[in-house]
Amino acid sequence: GAGVSQSPSNKVTEKGKDVELRCDPISGHTALYWYRQSLGQGLEFLIYFQGNSAPDKSGLPSDRFSAERTGGSVSTLTIQRTQQEDSAVYLCASSSGQGPSYYGYTFGSGTRLTVV
Amino acid sequence: GNSVTQMEGPVTLSEEAFLTINCTYTATGYPSLFWYVQYPGEGLQLLLKATKADDKGSNKGFEATYRKETTSFHLEKGSVQVSDSAVYFCALSPAGNKLTFGTGTQLKVEL
Repeated sequence: GAGVSQSPSNKVTEKGKDVELRCDPISGHTALYWYRQSLGQGLEFLIYFQGNSAPDKSGLPSDRFSAERTGGSVSTLTIQRTQQEDSAVYLCASSSGQGPSYYGYTFGSGTRLTVV
Repeated sequence: GNSVTQMEGPVTLSEEAFLTINCTYTATGYPSLFWYVQYPGEGLQLLLKATKADDKGSNKGFEATYRKETTSFHLEKGSVQVSDSAVYFCALSPAGNKLTFGTGTQLKVEL
């Protein structure tokens, strides 16, 4: 597509439920990133996919968080047994194979997750 | 490790005032530097970038110069407008690696 698409745009869930957030990157972009933006905080790196390489999961805050990227395109971020502190805006971004060091990222509009 | 430090906000200015948002960084090697902007209700957008020392990135009247000697990438604009009200994020990327962001600085421009 023309941009990075994320769905849903808003999600309200009850504490303890599982949620799935979807990201559809720009066609042809080989790199895909998930970040979390909490109220009053900066952007917290979660996970990074580059082509067929093993993902960089170093930013995932706990084992309740996981992500996969199917066919090198769409990615799903899953949060199990959600907690109130998981409430945040989850941002997805993609970049070309040349990498963010030159071109930067293109961000989606995010999914606002509220855990009640 | 890599880190970015931005000045605390919010910054409140009158229209046509001069803007400076300070950004300093810590990184190994020679990272690329970026400013992203997030307008109310919208996603982050790349505002400008610089990929090597002494480069000046510019866009929409904003400028920032990559200063290796002071490890800084301060954002400036000579005359701000109400439409510039947004949150501004400084970020760095070592070669071939993920972006590290600062905490963001909120700018409010008033008539």
